[in-house]
Amino acid sequence: DTGVSQDPRHKITKRGQNVTFRCDPISEHNRLYWYRQTLGQGPEFLTYFQNEAQLEKSRLLSDRFSAERPKGSFSTLEIQRTEQGDSAMYLCASSRGGVAFFGQGTRLTVV
Amino acid sequence: AQSVTQPDIHITVSEGASLELRCNYSYGATPYLFWYVQSPGQGLQLLLKYFSGDTLVQGIKGFEAEFKRSQSSFNLRKPSVHWSDAAEYFCAVGEAFTSGTYKYIFGTGTRLKVLA
Repeated sequence: DTGVSQDPRHKITKRGQNVTFRCDPISEHNRLYWYRQTLGQGPEFLTYFQNEAQLEKSRLLSDRFSAERPKGSFSTLEIQRTEQGDSAMYLCASSRGGVAFFGQGTRLTVV
Repeated sequence: AQSVTQPDIHITVSEGASLELRCNYSYGATPYLFWYVQSPGQGLQLLLKYFSGDTLVQGIKGFEAEFKRSQSSFNLRKPSVHWSDAAEYFCAVGEAFTSGTYKYIFGTGTRLKVLA
């Protein structure tokens, strides 16, 4: 059990560029979550996958955001045409039962 | 909508002193409750959880929490704080999806500072 892995850990991008983050969940965890955390706030839910199906999406997830989980394994979160307001920590979590295990996050800075 | 309130943004305690971090939730049914800890620049680590049963739950690192339905609270406690406990602490409630599982609603966190 290597835990939830996220890549990259840090990303600096220019406004208007596209970015993609990857999350590798704990093996055999069928549930995967993406959260966003801004400075001084708790994590906010973005989206949820059960296996490869994206079952829930938050209103926070504008049409510039898209997430996938092909074959129910790793997941990617893409942000198109980044804005300064997208600067945040993006956290991935996975679970099999009742408890979510979080990765260390990807910190995005949009300049 | 469900919500979690952590009334204390910052708390400072001396090493060896006791600690209580407050958490109040708003949820219509029996809640699933969690406490997570986050060190700077890191992800969240689960300290403990409450699903049902005994209202006093034990977690890792010597932490415990008590679920009080009448007060809608799930306060975190530790009898003697160590310098390494300095971090940010998040309380969370599980909000059910229609698909049968749930998402986590987090409070805004309490930042703990420990004085030597």
